[in-house]
Amino acid sequence: EDQVTQSPEALRLQEGESSSLNCSYTVSGLRGLFWYRQDPGKGPEFLFTLYSAGEEKEKERLKATLTKKESFLHITAPKPEDSATYLCAVREDGQNFVFGPGTRLSVLP
Amino acid sequence: EAGVVQSPRYKIIEKKQPVAFWCNPISGHNTLYWYLQNLGQGPELLIRYENEEAVDDSQLPKDRFSAERLKGVDSTLKIQPAELGDSAVYLCASSLGAGNTEAFFGQGTRLTVV
Repeated sequence: EDQVTQSPEALRLQEGESSSLNCSYTVSGLRGLFWYRQDPGKGPEFLFTLYSAGEEKEKERLKATLTKKESFLHITAPKPEDSATYLCAVREDGQNFVFGPGTRLSVLP
Repeated sequence: EAGVVQSPRYKIIEKKQPVAFWCNPISGHNTLYWYLQNLGQGPELLIRYENEEAVDDSQLPKDRFSAERLKGVDSTLKIQPAELGDSAVYLCASSLGAGNTEAFFGQGTRLTVV
């Protein structure tokens, strides 16, 4: 059965304190790993897609990387506006997106 | 260009009553998903459409849930009768189609069953 786990469950950082979020997956026939950001009361907002091990994508203070079994979302010098829940999802052979439980990030000023 | 539009944003109903949610996907997106999200958890798939065909409804509780996507554009998700445990956020998403493309989500409908 396809599974996606994320760690930590919650993370509290001081503004400017860099860190990484982890997404581990077991899936047959990976057809993409996706990162989303979700603010309270809103739907998930697409951030990145990664397709193959070694691939990296960057957007402002965020960088996503992918290995054969996990992905990392690196946050460099975060700001309070980066506070959100970050969701990881994989797309498998069956075409559906399987989501992890998310990491709740709080960045304190 | 408009994103995925869902309505209503919020709905409060008494248990055993029916409820319906509506979704308008991004123009040109053939694939439409309905997800359920409980508090503190990631979205869970209920049903996936390719155009007007429901290609995966294995996670849809068919005794009380139904969905349709007439003409392969808008979609409606219905619950009848609603139970207390159905309280959650119902998310609609769309993508261009089969393949590796990302899905874009609407704002969701927060359902409270009392």
